[in-house]
Amino acid sequence: DVKVTQSSRYLVKRTGEKVFLECVQDMDHENMFWYRQDPGLGLRLIYFSYDVKMKEKGDIPEGYSVSREKKERFSLILESASTNQTSMYLCASSAPGQGANTIYFGEGSWLTVV
Amino acid sequence: DAKTTQPPSMDCAEGRAANLPCNHSTISGNEYVYWYRQIHSQGPQYIIHGLKNNETNEMASLIITEDRKSSTLILPHATLRDTAVYYCIVRASSGSRLTFGEGTQLTVNP
Repeated sequence: DVKVTQSSRYLVKRTGEKVFLECVQDMDHENMFWYRQDPGLGLRLIYFSYDVKMKEKGDIPEGYSVSREKKERFSLILESASTNQTSMYLCASSAPGQGANTIYFGEGSWLTVV
Repeated sequence: DAKTTQPPSMDCAEGRAANLPCNHSTISGNEYVYWYRQIHSQGPQYIIHGLKNNETNEMASLIITEDRKSSTLILPHATLRDTAVYYCIVRASSGSRLTFGEGTQLTVNP
């Protein structure tokens, strides 16, 4: 079974803090993604990565950065957390190539910024 | 990616089949139909996907109409643990974006 593991399920951080959300996948997938999910807004893509050290902006990258130093690990960084970044963050991974490439999600990280 | 339309909610009795419909009338030839579900406070769980033919796995069956404009996800023997929001998504194979609509809230009743 594909396993996408997010290091923290629940976090509470203060405004202005630097926040790291870690994600590890065990399927040797090239593609990794970070989404956030908010009521009424659905899933929104923050950043994605097609390979080690590669990153691409998604739909809402402002206020976030990412790091992909190893194939299995994709980190989301909030340089200076703000209350409007309170959300559920979802990491996902998929294999590349032609045909269907199913995206698998982690369990989610609930971040509250106070 | 093509837009999908699903009923906002459905109920099903425990042990009965749950049939969840999805319309995707603007689907194009290279787009797959995916189904995910999301149990409250958890990440979306992949269920099944298909292109043209009907598909079955250990979780569910997917029936796609011949014109590919609609599909039905079938949970053959629904249990209380199947209560979740079910999302039908149409996506090209190379697409990085996974656009979730509002989905269908399925409630399985004892």
